[in-house]
Amino acid sequence: DQQVKQNSPSLSVQEGRISILNCDYTNSMFDYFLWYKKYPAEGPTFLISISSIKDKNEDGRFTVFLNKSAKHLSLHIVPSQPGDSAVYFCAASPFGNEKLTFGTGTRLTIIP
Amino acid sequence: GAVVSQHPSWVICKSGTSVKIECRSLDFQATTMFWYRQFPKQSLMLMATSNEGSKATYEQGVEKDKFLINHASLTLSTLTVTSAHPEDSSFYICSALPGAPQETQYFGPGTRLLVL
Repeated sequence: DQQVKQNSPSLSVQEGRISILNCDYTNSMFDYFLWYKKYPAEGPTFLISISSIKDKNEDGRFTVFLNKSAKHLSLHIVPSQPGDSAVYFCAASPFGNEKLTFGTGTRLTIIP
Repeated sequence: GAVVSQHPSWVICKSGTSVKIECRSLDFQATTMFWYRQFPKQSLMLMATSNEGSKATYEQGVEKDKFLINHASLTLSTLTVTSAHPEDSSFYICSALPGAPQETQYFGPGTRLLVL
């Protein structure tokens, strides 16, 4: 049972445009959500997080939106840059930064 | 930034042998380390949580006698796959959580295991 789903395995976006990556979850016990970015041959690196008491968190070009009623979160990257090309994982946890459940990832390709 | 290393980065072994994978936090002390496994086209699945000096906590469905975890120091955790079989072939990745509040998990680069 996949509790965290990223239904788009890949996404291509023109440089300078907005990239929107989506994630859905089923477990209502999740109260902390994170996005990680992964380059080939490297481990995931933390990008941005949001707790369930918020519906938006912003950090530079990255914004995460959380819709608790729809059990949906999204990551917006604007403007998109070639260095953003990577695999993006969303993750969720009922206990802050521990016991993370990951989605399957979305491969983002930024087209110059 | 915080760095976590894993060794080896890839390993090929014969069925029935044991394989040890090391996970080190290079520039911080990790009170908690995690071990994940990722099969092709699937997500990272948490296998176990280990705290320094205590027994690891395994997720449901993970055999603790097959996947031995030792967290002997605040900078080193090891995962030993005992009597490995082809179905254990996977990508194993560790992460480390510093003790400071609000810190995030820092991931190693992963170890690819192929059991022949």
